[in-house]
Amino acid sequence: AQSVSQHNHHVILSEAASLELGCNYSYGGTVNLFWYVQYPGQHLQLLLKYFSGDPLVKGIKGFEAEFIKSKFSFNLRKPSVQWSDTAEYFCALHSGGYQKVTFGTGTKLQVIP
Amino acid sequence: DGGITQSPKYLFRKEGQNVTLSCEQNLNHDAMYWYRQDPGQGLRLIYYSQIVNDFQKGDIAEGYSVSREKKESFPLTVTSAQKNPTAFYLCASSIDRLSSSYNEQFFGPGTRLTVL
Repeated sequence: AQSVSQHNHHVILSEAASLELGCNYSYGGTVNLFWYVQYPGQHLQLLLKYFSGDPLVKGIKGFEAEFIKSKFSFNLRKPSVQWSDTAEYFCALHSGGYQKVTFGTGTKLQVIP
Repeated sequence: DGGITQSPKYLFRKEGQNVTLSCEQNLNHDAMYWYRQDPGQGLRLIYYSQIVNDFQKGDIAEGYSVSREKKESFPLTVTSAQKNPTAFYLCASSIDRLSSSYNEQFFGPGTRLTVL
C-alpha cells in the first residue's frame, strides 16, 4: 500500500519569510510525485511534478521541490512567500502503472502581510 | 473553454435519500476520479475509471456508486448506506497514457453536499 504524510497541518508565516513544507511517502517502487495547491475559492491545481531526471523541480509562482529518494521525501520550498500564497497545499503520489493517486492530508499556509 | 464541470455547487438532501452528483469533462481525458475532501483528511479516493464502462473502487467506496457510460461523464451516487455523506466532493480527470508524463489531474470546482 502507498501512503503520503504531510506533518505540517497549519503554517503561519510573515511575508518574505522562507517556506518549506514537508512531504514523505511510503512506496517501494517507482513513483511520480506532485504538489497541488488550492487557493481560497478556486479549483485544486497543479503546482509542480516530478517524474524522473533532475530531482529538483521548479513549478509555478517561484515554488520548487526536491525529490530525495533515500529519505522518501518531496518537500516544497519557496525562498520568499507572498500574501497571495495563502492556500492549502497537497502532496500526492502516483505509483506504478495505475492511474491511482494518493494524496496527503494537506497543509494550510497562511501568509500575514 | 476546456475543463471539468460539477453540478450543483451546493446540494441539500434529507437523510435516507440517494443523491447523484454530476461530473462532465470536455478535455477528452480517458481517466476520471471522485474524491471526498474533509477538513484535516485531505482528499480520499472514492472511485476511479480508466476507460468507458469500467471503474474501480478507491479507498472509501462503501455507500457510493458510479457509472461510466460515456467518456465525458462520471456521475457519483451517494446512497443512503453512506453513514457520513456530508462532505465536499471533487471530480477530476487525467489523460490515461501510461508511457507519457501527462497524468496530472485536472479538478472540477466541487460539490458541497449537506445531508440534513
